[in-house]
Amino acid sequence: GAVVSQHPSWVICKSGTSVKIECRSLDFQATTMFWYRQFPKQSLMLMATSNEGSKATYEQGVEKDKFLINHASLTLSTLTVTSAHPEDSSFYICSAPGSLGYEQYFGPGTRLTVT
Amino acid sequence: KQEVTQIPAALSVPEGENLVLNCSFTDSAIYNLQWFRQDPGKGLTSLLLIQSSQREQTSGRLNASLDKSSGRSTLYIAASQPGDSATYLCAVGDSGNTPLVFGKGTRLSVIA
Repeated sequence: GAVVSQHPSWVICKSGTSVKIECRSLDFQATTMFWYRQFPKQSLMLMATSNEGSKATYEQGVEKDKFLINHASLTLSTLTVTSAHPEDSSFYICSAPGSLGYEQYFGPGTRLTVT
Repeated sequence: KQEVTQIPAALSVPEGENLVLNCSFTDSAIYNLQWFRQDPGKGLTSLLLIQSSQREQTSGRLNASLDKSSGRSTLYIAASQPGDSATYLCAVGDSGNTPLVFGKGTRLSVIA
């Protein structure tokens, strides 16, 4: 099956710094990728849709200047959390639609802790 | 706006028991429905995917059903084992290339 990887799997950073999270489709191309955020004991909430070659689409309430998304190629999307604050600490997961068009493949997630 | 609800929020059962997890969604115009498993602090493991034209899918001890008209899906786990302990998430998509909408999950504990 299709594989999506994320890097890093976990990261700890200091408040005010920026952190970049990578999402890669390893054996298929993805013109679209989705970024979700999951707070402790909560479900996954969509943050934004990453589109190769164009600007990302953000969900209501998600600050696009804080969460920068770049879909650099057909296999790579990056999420940069700028000027991170402790409230940004969360589990970030990306997904990509498979080539057959009916299944989503999820990355293993990145746990961000901002101290 | 699609909303997904999962009942119960938590469930504790003795080993060997058969159990049913419920998922409901408000907009029946879905493209597919997926059940996932999530272990604490980990990512998602896809368990079963049901396309809108299907009524059920089976994998081992797991069986998922879909009733689009009533906006419901169930995940049946047979002969539960302690290793089944995890959070089970239901998610629906309205096309093959749109993001999924997730329920809040059911936290399952299977007691040995």
